Formats: sequence, C-alpha cells, structure tokens
Amino acid sequence: AQRVTQPEKLLSVFKGAPVELKCNYSYSGSPELFWYVQYSRQRLQLLLRHISRESIKGFTADLNKGETSFHLKKPFAQEEDSAMYYCALGAGNNRKLIWGLGTSLAVNP
Amino acid sequence: GAVVSQHPSRVICKSGTSVKIECRSLDFQATTMFWYRQFPKQSLMLMATSNEGSKATYEQGVEKDKFLINHASLTLSTLTVTSAHPEDSSFYICSARSRAGGSYEQYFGPGTRLTVT
Repeated sequence: AQRVTQPEKLLSVFKGAPVELKCNYSYSGSPELFWYVQYSRQRLQLLLRHISRESIKGFTADLNKGETSFHLKKPFAQEEDSAMYYCALGAGNNRKLIWGLGTSLAVNP
Repeated sequence: GAVVSQHPSRVICKSGTSVKIECRSLDFQATTMFWYRQFPKQSLMLMATSNEGSKATYEQGVEKDKFLINHASLTLSTLTVTSAHPEDSSFYICSARSRAGGSYEQYFGPGTRLTVT
C-alpha cells in the first residue's frame, strides 16, 4: 500500500536548535518525494523535492531507500520556520500525491 | 511563475443551494488539476483528479454527483458543490500540475472557505 507517515503531529524547538521532521513512506515503485510547507494564512508551497537534492531556506532532505525515509532537516531553526510541514509521495498514473498528516513546527524564541 | 488562483476565496451559502469554485492556472497550462478538502489542523484529503477534456477521477468515498468537477480547458477547472449541507463546510483547495514533463509537482491555489448555513 502507498502510504506516508509523519509520526510527529507537533514539534517544538528553540531558535538556533537543530530540527528534524520525520517522514517515512511505503511504496513498491521508485518513489518521488516532496516536502511542502504551509505558513500561517498562506497557501501550500513546495519546499523541497528529492530529485533536486537542493537546500532551500537551510532545509535539506535525503531520500534513504533502505529506511524508506525522507526526513527534513535544518541545523539551526529560525522563528520564521514555524509552519505546517507536509511530506508527500508521488504515486500512480494520474500523478497524484499521497500526503502525510503533517507536522506543525513551532520555533520558540 | 506557476501561479494558481481560486475564486471565490470565501463563500457563505444556504443549505440546499449550489456553489461553484473556480481554479485557474495563470501562467502555465495544467494537464491535471486536483481538488482537496482540508479540515482544521488536519492534512489534505484528495477529493478528485481532473484531466483536461475528460471525466474526473474521484477518490473513494467522495460523491461525484455532489461534487461536480469540470476541467474545460488547460487553465480552468471548476468544483460545484451541489445541494450543499452544513457538513460540506470546509476549506477547499485546488492544485495544478504543469503540462510540461512528467513531474508529480503540484502548484496550489490559496483555497476557498465554504460555509454552509
């Protein structure tokens, strides 16, 4: 079954601390994984995609096929990183995304 | 680039009436558009996938006669909530996938808050 699991509903860290938002997936094919972010009162926007292997706003995410994980990391969290983060898996012929339940990140001053 | 708009941003309607929500890709052609519901502090629930010029594919448990989707052009998809009930009150979000390439990447609209009284 195709599934995305984000085990933490809420993650609270202090400014400057490292942060890791966990994402595990279940998919029999070759996965295409994304992290989307939703800041307060804003639309969902793409943060990272695994095929780009890029760093956006200091965030990185590495696909680990052995552990079927795509955890999102940032070494030093900032207050403006406070948002809802969703991990998503691309699956199916109609190119739909399978979504995790999201993790709310709160970065405290 | 890759901007998706939705109209209206907020709508209040009476129970039993129908409401139409528009989703437009402003600067790209969208082969596929997706319609989601988002409940407060919860994840996205995919309702249906629409491809330009063909019938929408609905997710399990979504009533296609209640949530009518039309994808008439490569830049416009509409969702009509028919005979709305208070339980249909929700935040409806559309997204669009670019015609170019085979990526799964979706661009999201700002959402429409529907309140049925």
